[in-house]
Amino acid sequence: TQLLEQSPQFLSIQEGENLTVYCNSSSVFSSLQWYRQEPGEGPVLLVTVVTGGEVKKLKRLTFQFGDARKDSSLHITAAQPGDTGLYLCAGENTYAGGTSYGKLTFGQGTILTVHP
Amino acid sequence: ETGVTQSPTHLIKTRGQQVTLRCSSQSGHNTVSWYQQALGQGPQFIFQYYREEENGRGNFPPRFSGLQFPNYSSELNVNALELDDSALYLCASSRGGVAFFGQGTRLTVV
Repeated sequence: TQLLEQSPQFLSIQEGENLTVYCNSSSVFSSLQWYRQEPGEGPVLLVTVVTGGEVKKLKRLTFQFGDARKDSSLHITAAQPGDTGLYLCAGENTYAGGTSYGKLTFGQGTILTVHP
Repeated sequence: ETGVTQSPTHLIKTRGQQVTLRCSSQSGHNTVSWYQQALGQGPQFIFQYYREEENGRGNFPPRFSGLQFPNYSSELNVNALELDDSALYLCASSRGGVAFFGQGTRLTVV
């Protein structure tokens, strides 16, 4: 069974601060996705990383995939109240064969609160 | 707006009852996956349907079952509801890559 551990579970910061969320596993994933979810809504995809060592930037958000494809991080610079939400990492393992597409293993999530 | 629609949005059922949740997938997406998300947790994979056939299942008992129709829409059925089945149920449609999630159905079992 593949597991993804996210940390921290809760994060409460002031507007303008920087933060990093970590996603770790003992298993290798073919890709890792980061989602943001607001209360009462489904997760919305932020980014997919597929290459070991890959770094992707989305405005103030920087995503990194570990060289061994077992871990990932999300860094937010100058956080804003609008960044508040549940951040989820999810791994997909297509090494197991074509039937693995779309089957995601999620971390337990990081609840981020950014205070004005 | 992901193009994935779930119904109903909220539902209250009594322990022991049966429930059917519905998902209309994004146009052209032939794969639908269902997830259960307990409060404060990440989603857990229930099962996936690809071209009307079950294509993998997570660690859920047989009372969780599903269907996919020729238009790729899908249903999740849960029999003999238990209190622990209370959760947000999410469906995600995909076609060989990125999954798009619906807004979910909040099921409360009392």
